[in-house]
Amino acid sequence: EAQVTQNPRYLITVTGKKLTVTCSQNMNHEYMSWYRQDPGLGLRQIYYSMNVEVTDKGDVPEGYKVSRKEKRNFPLILESPSPNQTSLYFCASSLTSHSYEQYFGPGTRLTVT
Amino acid sequence: QQQVKQSPQSLIVQKGGISIINCAYENTAFDYFPWYQQFPGKGPALLIAIRPDVSEKKEGRFTISFNKSAKQFSLHIMDSQPGDSATYFCAASMTGGFKTIFGAGTRLFVKA
Repeated sequence: EAQVTQNPRYLITVTGKKLTVTCSQNMNHEYMSWYRQDPGLGLRQIYYSMNVEVTDKGDVPEGYKVSRKEKRNFPLILESPSPNQTSLYFCASSLTSHSYEQYFGPGTRLTVT
Repeated sequence: QQQVKQSPQSLIVQKGGISIINCAYENTAFDYFPWYQQFPGKGPALLIAIRPDVSEKKEGRFTISFNKSAKQFSLHIMDSQPGDSATYFCAASMTGGFKTIFGAGTRLFVKA
């Protein structure tokens, strides 16, 4: 089944404790992206990747890092999480950067205390 | 201006009624306008999309109306059903760009 998977689905952590949220897609998509969803703000893009080893900042990149060493994986790293990063996170992918339809993962709900 | 403004924030419609969600944008370089549907506990999924060279696109009960001069577009859900209860996001993208700008979302509840 073609899909985008994220792990973990739920995570409660404390301020300053480094964490990684994994994202993997099995559709051979070139483009991958991370979003955070907050009430009243919709989906805001954190980082995106046009292909392996090519990443760039979205609209809200502060406090996050990403890497794209393999085509299928695009992990989101929070090196020192803070409470304002408590949010619902979605990974998405599309065939290319010019393919407009994005396929979203199931989401990761992160709480930072 | 990169914003996409979406209204209303929430909407309650009777079963069989018409649900209407509106969006407005500023940047005329946007050339693709999708709507995503999100059910609780799930990621958004593409519902329907339109390009600015057409004024309307219909897929089943879902229709996008597009007004290029007003820089507005809307989603109409005809014969709304309880199963349509979800959050709907409008969005805008541009050719050669790598970003999709999303609206704030509309929570739709269809009463049985």
